[in-house]
Amino acid sequence: DSGVTQTPKHLITATGQRVTLRCSPRSGDLSVYWYQQSLDQGLQFLIQYYNGEERAKGNILERFSAQQFPDLHSELNLSSLELGDSALYFCASSGTGNYGYTFGSGTRLTVV
Amino acid sequence: AQTVTQSQPEMSVQEAETVTLSCTYDTSESDYYLFWYKQPPSRQMILVIRQEAYKQQNATENRFSVNFQKAAKSFSLKISDSQLGDAAMYFCAHGPSYDKVIFGPGTSLSVIP
Repeated sequence: DSGVTQTPKHLITATGQRVTLRCSPRSGDLSVYWYQQSLDQGLQFLIQYYNGEERAKGNILERFSAQQFPDLHSELNLSSLELGDSALYFCASSGTGNYGYTFGSGTRLTVV
Repeated sequence: AQTVTQSQPEMSVQEAETVTLSCTYDTSESDYYLFWYKQPPSRQMILVIRQEAYKQQNATENRFSVNFQKAAKSFSLKISDSQLGDAAMYFCAHGPSYDKVIFGPGTSLSVIP
């Protein structure tokens, strides 16, 4: 157990639907990062939150949004889903400095 | 813009032998960090080793070591005494001390018994 908890582990949904992915960071970590990994691809940075505030944004689609709550857990909302959104979505957290991320086990999203 | 390049999509190594995975990066930052992550078939992302750019000494973690060449913006990973459990996708990553980490496309490593 890495200390970063992602739910659900698997999600199957239809095109056009909306889903919410949840992440609880490792205890004490203030930063949360979301990454998308499509089949046999590298990790694409989506968005970073630090202590409730958006810190950095990557190539995140307008159909996607995220937030970090006062208890530091984060949610990634994906709407108007398309087949191409099928991917493994990772959440990672880190403390102060950049000592490397701790990753969750990911949420496997399948859009049918 | 930050970029990370891994020129070897696939590599293989005999069990107990040594293999080196290559990585180059581009950055305008003077202070930054470099990482190697391992992703086994379970898909879990595991931090293998970390290097701080201001440190000249190459990082080592047991059988894993790096060759960090700052001027050349090169950061290779050497795996000694390769084991079957080392078979995985390896991602090189780079990031400043305060911001997001950018990952390379990965190198798939096979270990031959």
